[in-house]
Amino acid sequence: DIQMTQSPSSLSASVGDRVTITCQASQDISNNLNWYQQKAGKAPKLLIYDASNLETGVPSRFSGSGSGTDFTFTISSLQPEDIATYYCQQYDNLPITFGQGTRLEIK
Amino acid sequence: QVQLVQSGAEVKKPGASVKVSCKASGYTFTDYYMHWVRQAPGQGLEWMGWINPNSGGTSYAQKFQGRVTMTRDTSISTTYMELSRLRSDDTAVYYCARGRHIVGGTGKFLGYWGQGTLVTVSS
Repeated sequence: DIQMTQSPSSLSASVGDRVTITCQASQDISNNLNWYQQKAGKAPKLLIYDASNLETGVPSRFSGSGSGTDFTFTISSLQPEDIATYYCQQYDNLPITFGQGTRLEIK
Repeated sequence: QVQLVQSGAEVKKPGASVKVSCKASGYTFTDYYMHWVRQAPGQGLEWMGWINPNSGGTSYAQKFQGRVTMTRDTSISTTYMELSRLRSDDTAVYYCARGRHIVGGTGKFLGYWGQGTLVTVSS
């Protein structure tokens, strides 16, 4: 199974800050990676697909980059509504695996 | 618009089975894989498997082999996930999520999710 190591596990930042989350795959997954946002009590919401493509309707302050084994997710200017847990996920190989999540809080 | 609507919350006793449904609308049901993902309380996301709604073919995560069965009813655009021999650690929210196009492999992987179904296993 491909292990997805996501860091940090939690993060506290101020409104307007630039926030970065990283995800490392245990083997090459090309660009077969998604980033999700999950708010409390809700289903995950796709933000970034194929590592760097912004899902329709998602604000442009969200972005993703990387390929192979190392990936980065960035919020350029944190907003109060961005409080959530964020997950990376690889779909290069079965079983599909997720990072352990990053809980984002407002400082 | 694509919608996945799941059945309501369930409470089951250890050793019982549960069957969760996921009704799709807004697209051709038999054109896209359907996946199931679960999330235990306060925990991360765990992939369980997929079903090809066209052929009925399935692929399950090794952890659930022998306990999970995914089926579909094309007449009502609905997929089902049945988990047997329930244990307390099966308490979780279960999600269906649409996969990629079966033939072309196009579309966003797990771009659409159901609202989730809470399954509580308790004696």
